[in-house]
Amino acid sequence: GIQVEQSPPDLILQEGANSTLRCNFSDSVNNLQWFHQNPWGQLINLFYIPSGTKQNGRLSATTVATERYSLLYISSSQTTDSGVYFCAGSYNTDKLIFGTGTRLQVFP
Amino acid sequence: NAGVTQTPKFRILKIGQSMTLQCTQDMNHNYMYWYRQDPGMGLKLIYYSVGAGITDKGEVPNGYNVSRSTTEDFPLRLELAAPSQTSVYFCASRPGGQGTYEQYFGPGTRLTVT
Repeated sequence: GIQVEQSPPDLILQEGANSTLRCNFSDSVNNLQWFHQNPWGQLINLFYIPSGTKQNGRLSATTVATERYSLLYISSSQTTDSGVYFCAGSYNTDKLIFGTGTRLQVFP
Repeated sequence: NAGVTQTPKFRILKIGQSMTLQCTQDMNHNYMYWYRQDPGMGLKLIYYSVGAGITDKGEVPNGYNVSRSTTEDFPLRLELAAPSQTSVYFCASRPGGQGTYEQYFGPGTRLTVT
């Protein structure tokens, strides 16, 4: 089955800094999503991005499907960005496979 | 809209007991999902449903059962609870159809089996 690798596993930033999170897939996916889990456990979908680039405020994501990776960019980070960021993917199914996440801590 | 609601929020079970985790959504979504999240890990799909009366297994279905008799409700049944089922359980839903892949999550149920 598909394996999902995320890097880095942990990231500590000061407010205002930028960061890039990476997600690698062992096989092709055509359903790729990024999620944020806040420190209280709530999960929110950030992007559905099987290919190309999308932006939502200070967050943007780029997927290079042919090379089986996706990047999540966080600019001008804020303390509210803290939490765990997951990517997940699948091919022609709804059965998403999740990575183990990048834990982000943003300090004031 | 309340979105996706889950009950209970917390539960402690003894080994061998059974329970049902409730999930309800009021967004008229066709697709519903059950995931479990173990400490420090990502989510793993247990079961999912593409509409009332239709369910399918995910990555880790053993020890669980589901039913989908209405669009709104998607209960998850644990029979003969085991310590390995200690986890946080999330229910999610999405509308279905082209271009509607974003999943909306409930707040989770934290289950401990001792």
